[in-house]
Amino acid sequence: SQTIHQWPATLVQPVGSPLSLECTVEGTSNPNLYWYRQAAGRGLQLLFYSVGIGQISSEVPQNLSASRPQDRQFILSSKKLLLSDSGFYLCACSGTSYEQYFGPGTRLTVT
Amino acid sequence: AQSVTQPDIHITVSEGASLELRCNYSYGATPYLFWYVQSPGQGLQLLLKYFSGDTLVQGIKGFEAEFKRSQSSFNLRKPSVHWSDAAEYFCAVGPLEYGNKLVFGAGTILRVKS
Repeated sequence: SQTIHQWPATLVQPVGSPLSLECTVEGTSNPNLYWYRQAAGRGLQLLFYSVGIGQISSEVPQNLSASRPQDRQFILSSKKLLLSDSGFYLCACSGTSYEQYFGPGTRLTVT
Repeated sequence: AQSVTQPDIHITVSEGASLELRCNYSYGATPYLFWYVQSPGQGLQLLLKYFSGDTLVQGIKGFEAEFKRSQSSFNLRKPSVHWSDAAEYFCAVGPLEYGNKLVFGAGTILRVKS
């Protein structure tokens, strides 16, 4: 079964600094990959998804970007963080019956 | 448009009592339906899924859900709640379009009182 790793687990960054969150997947090949954000007290917001290496689709215009340099690696980045980028970031991968499996998440606080 | 509604933002249940969390969906074809649980500060864990066959599906941790096409519902149930079930629960439907995306409900926070 799939295992999703995310790091770092927590991150505190100043406004205007860059960001790089990494997600790696084990136990599957050629999965669809997803980045979600949960703001405090709110539901899941899909940010990006990828159906293959180098293929990124954005759901919400913002100052974040995503990349998929390898089949099982998905990276979320920003050149300059905003206060509104604070939240809990979740990476997920697809299963065999359209279900998604989630990683443990990264708590990002922008100060 | 596809959507998921979880009408209850919060639910409080006594330990040992039964539980039902409601989920209604809007989807143009035969849906794949899912329930997830999230403990504070953690990722989402898949409890169960439905995509065909028996409309009553069993999941992990003693949970079950029933698909009712006529009511566009997929309610989650547990006969006897344990304190460790306190968490947030999300219903989801899919797949959507290119990328096999899912639409998630806003979540229901379950509190368990002893």
